[in-house]
Amino acid sequence: GQQLNQSPQSMFIQEGEDVSMNCTSSSIFNTWLWYKQDPGEGPVLLIALYKAGELTSNGRLTAQFGITRKDSFLNISASIPSDVGIYFCAGPYVGGAQKLVFGQGTRLTINP
Amino acid sequence: DVKVTQSSRYLVKRTGEKVFLECVQDMDHENMFWYRQDPGLGLRLIYFSYDVKMKEKGDIPEGYSVSREKKERFSLILESASTNQTSMYLCASSLGGFVETQYFGPGTRLLVL
Repeated sequence: GQQLNQSPQSMFIQEGEDVSMNCTSSSIFNTWLWYKQDPGEGPVLLIALYKAGELTSNGRLTAQFGITRKDSFLNISASIPSDVGIYFCAGPYVGGAQKLVFGQGTRLTINP
Repeated sequence: DVKVTQSSRYLVKRTGEKVFLECVQDMDHENMFWYRQDPGLGLRLIYFSYDVKMKEKGDIPEGYSVSREKKERFSLILESASTNQTSMYLCASSLGGFVETQYFGPGTRLLVL
C-alpha cells in the first residue's frame, strides 16, 4: 500500500535550536498535512499544503510542499519546551481522498 | 471548534473479552475513522465510515469490527481481545467531500492482559 517515510524518527535538541524534518512518498500527493501529537493526546492539525512549491507558516512553524509533489518539509524555529511531541505528515490515499495515510512520526525531545 | 470525544482514556481488559470503544463527534461530519498507533509504525487505519451504516476496511481490519448507527457515533469492537491488540486507539472525523483534514479524539490506551 501507500507509504510515507518520515525522517528523522527522533530528535533530541536543546531549547532554542531550529528543527527540520521531512516526509517522502513514492507516489505523487495533491495535499500534504502536518499534525502534532502532544504527550497523551490525539494529533492536532498544524499546517495544510495544497499546491506544489507552496510555503506556509504558522507562527514559528514553516512547511513546504515539495516541487516534485513527492515530499514535504516542516521546520520549527527557536524551539521551546512545548514543541515536544510527535510530528506526523499525512496525505490522501490514491483514489480515496477522504482517507489519509500517515508517516511513522518524528518524536521531538527538547532539553531545557 | 470540532470536538471528538472517546469514551475512555485508559482501559484494561482480559484476553478473550469483547471490548467496545466509543467515539462521538459534534460537528455533523460525514466521515469517521478508527486508527491504532504503535511506536515506530505511525497511525494505521483500521476502519472508515463515510455515512451511517456504511463502513470500509482500512489497512488492518483483522480482529476488529465497527458500528455506525447514528451519524455522530462510531464504535470500534474487538470481538475477542488478544494481547497483540494492546495499543493506543484514536478516533477521527472529517467533514466529507474532498476535504481531507481529520480531527482527532484524545485516544484510548488499551491494555489486554
